Amino acid sequence: DTGVSQNPRHKITKRGQNVTFRCDPISEHNRLYWYRQTLGQGPEFLTYFQNEAQLEKSRLLSDRFSAERPKGSFSTLEIQRTEQGDSAMYLCASSGGANVLTFGAGSRLTVL
Amino acid sequence: LAKTTQPISMDSYEGQEVNITCSHNNIATNDYITWYQQFPSQGPRFIIQGYKTKVTNEVASLFIPADRKSSTLSLPRVSLSDTAVYYCLVGDLYSGAGSYQLTFGKGTKLSVIP
Repeated sequence: DTGVSQNPRHKITKRGQNVTFRCDPISEHNRLYWYRQTLGQGPEFLTYFQNEAQLEKSRLLSDRFSAERPKGSFSTLEIQRTEQGDSAMYLCASSGGANVLTFGAGSRLTVL
Repeated sequence: LAKTTQPISMDSYEGQEVNITCSHNNIATNDYITWYQQFPSQGPRFIIQGYKTKVTNEVASLFIPADRKSSTLSLPRVSLSDTAVYYCLVGDLYSGAGSYQLTFGKGTKLSVIP
């Protein structure tokens, strides 16, 4: 296993378009997290899955954002009707039994 | 959720020991203290974790006083490649609802000077 994988690494889109990011966690990790990071700030929690169940969503996750984790494996984060304020790095992390988050390299979104 | 306070930035020369202190006055009994390192355009990477006293691994040492209201990350003999942002996190991913919303803060930007 090579760690947490995120795709695409970079996405440039026009305002109003929909985008989807994919995260493949470490296979034996049952917990998956999405964070958002803007320039100069630390990562901000967006949502959390335990297996296929989405157990927590931040107030940062507006109704334009939706996340899924079918079958408790990979996860997708979709942003509909993108706005310039959505430009950020979207980070995925997973955890198993230890109190440690393993992050992917992130997906950078630029909304023009 | 425990809030953390750490310096915004630090500078150090190559070969020196760097100590970054984080304060977390409202740490809970079940909380662990975890430090992450982040390079530009990459996700944070786990460095070290502790609950109390001292922990050492091949990369760093973590010093935690008895009251656990602060912690100090110690990086021995830093090199240019240690230039990064360092985050101190306090929490327990498994203590119940809301526990997994670990708060990163702005971190400490360490610049290593040749």
